Amino acid sequence: EAQVTQNPRYLITVTGKKLTVTCSQNMNHEYMSWYRQDPGLGLRQIYYSMNVEVTDKGDVPEGYKVSRKEKRNFPLILESPSPNQTSLYFCASTRTWGEGTQGYTFGSGTRLTVV
Amino acid sequence: DQQVKQNSPSLSVQEGRISILNCDYTNSMFDYFLWYKKYPAEGPTFLISISSIKDKNEDGRFTVFLNKSAKHLSLHIVPSQPGDSAVYFCAASGAGNQFYFGTGTSLTVIP
Repeated sequence: EAQVTQNPRYLITVTGKKLTVTCSQNMNHEYMSWYRQDPGLGLRQIYYSMNVEVTDKGDVPEGYKVSRKEKRNFPLILESPSPNQTSLYFCASTRTWGEGTQGYTFGSGTRLTVV
Repeated sequence: DQQVKQNSPSLSVQEGRISILNCDYTNSMFDYFLWYKKYPAEGPTFLISISSIKDKNEDGRFTVFLNKSAKHLSLHIVPSQPGDSAVYFCAASGAGNQFYFGTGTSLTVIP
């Protein structure tokens, strides 16, 4: 089954303790992205990657890191999490852009709480 | 700065009636628009799209209308069903390799 897999689904952590949210896709997609969803703010892009070793900042990159060493994996790293990073996170991937595409395929989400 | 806006956070509609969800955008370079549907505890899933060369696209009960001069698109669901109750996001893309999402509208279809 074609899918984007995120882990963990739920995570409660303490301020300052480094964590990684993994993301893997099995569709051989070039483009991958991380979004966070917050009430009243919708989906905001954190980082995106257009291919292996190519990453770029989205709209809200502060406090996050990513890497793209393999095409299928795109982990999100919080070096020193803070309470304002409490959010619902989505990883997404797509083969291409523009007319006729279905845009991103999203993972099921990671609910992160930083206390 | 929010380039894609959904000004109605929520909408309630009776089963069988039409649901109309609205979306406005500010960037005239956007040329492709999508609607996603999101159920609780799941990721958003693609629903329907429209290119800027069209003003309407229909797929079963779902129709998306695009008014480029007004920078406005809308999603019509006819007839609405209880299973349509979800959060709906509109998204837009242009020359750059990014999708910009709206803030979402929570639709409740009342049986």
